[in-house]
Amino acid sequence: GAGVSQSPSNKVTEKGKDVELRCDPISGHTALYWYRQSLGQGLEFLIYFQGNSAPDKSGLPSDRFSAERTGGSVSTLTIQRTQQEDSAVYLCASSTGQGSEKLFFGSGTQLSVL
Amino acid sequence: GQSLEQPSEVTAVEGAIVQINCTYQTSGFYGLSWYQQHDGGAPTFLSYNALDGLEETGRFSSFLSRSDSYGYLLLQELQMKDSASYFCAVRSASGGSYIPTFGRGTSLIVHP
Repeated sequence: GAGVSQSPSNKVTEKGKDVELRCDPISGHTALYWYRQSLGQGLEFLIYFQGNSAPDKSGLPSDRFSAERTGGSVSTLTIQRTQQEDSAVYLCASSTGQGSEKLFFGSGTQLSVL
Repeated sequence: GQSLEQPSEVTAVEGAIVQINCTYQTSGFYGLSWYQQHDGGAPTFLSYNALDGLEETGRFSSFLSRSDSYGYLLLQELQMKDSASYFCAVRSASGGSYIPTFGRGTSLIVHP
């Protein structure tokens, strides 16, 4: 596609439920990032994929969070047993490679945990 | 780890010039980026500085001083549409990954 696509755009869930957030990066981009943005805050790094290398999971806040990237393209971020503090906008970004300074962001998924 | 400091809010009038500062602390510094984000929108890339000096792109310029761990974004001929949040981001080597770390953002309010 023309840009980074994320779905759903909005997700409301109940505390304790699992959620899956999807990211379709720009075709050909080998690097993919997940960030989390709470209201009025900066972007908090979660996880990074680069090609076929092992992902950098150093930003994941707890073991309830996991992510995978299938076929070097689409990525899914899974949050198990959601908590109210997980409420935030989850942003996905892609770039042409590790050395590229320009990240292209999707519009994000607004997650609300009730 | 890395840390970045930028003002939380800046206000200016249409047509004016505004400077948004960013100071950072990091090891293995690689470069400083700036992103713009309108309310409810996706962050969009504005500029990147890896070397000291000023980079100009139209009405926007970005400056970096590696020795001072400092940079700024300069916006000239401000327009109402420039009202947005602006984030600086440091790219540094972390275990071999060059992952950008973002500041908390500066909300720019442009008044008519």
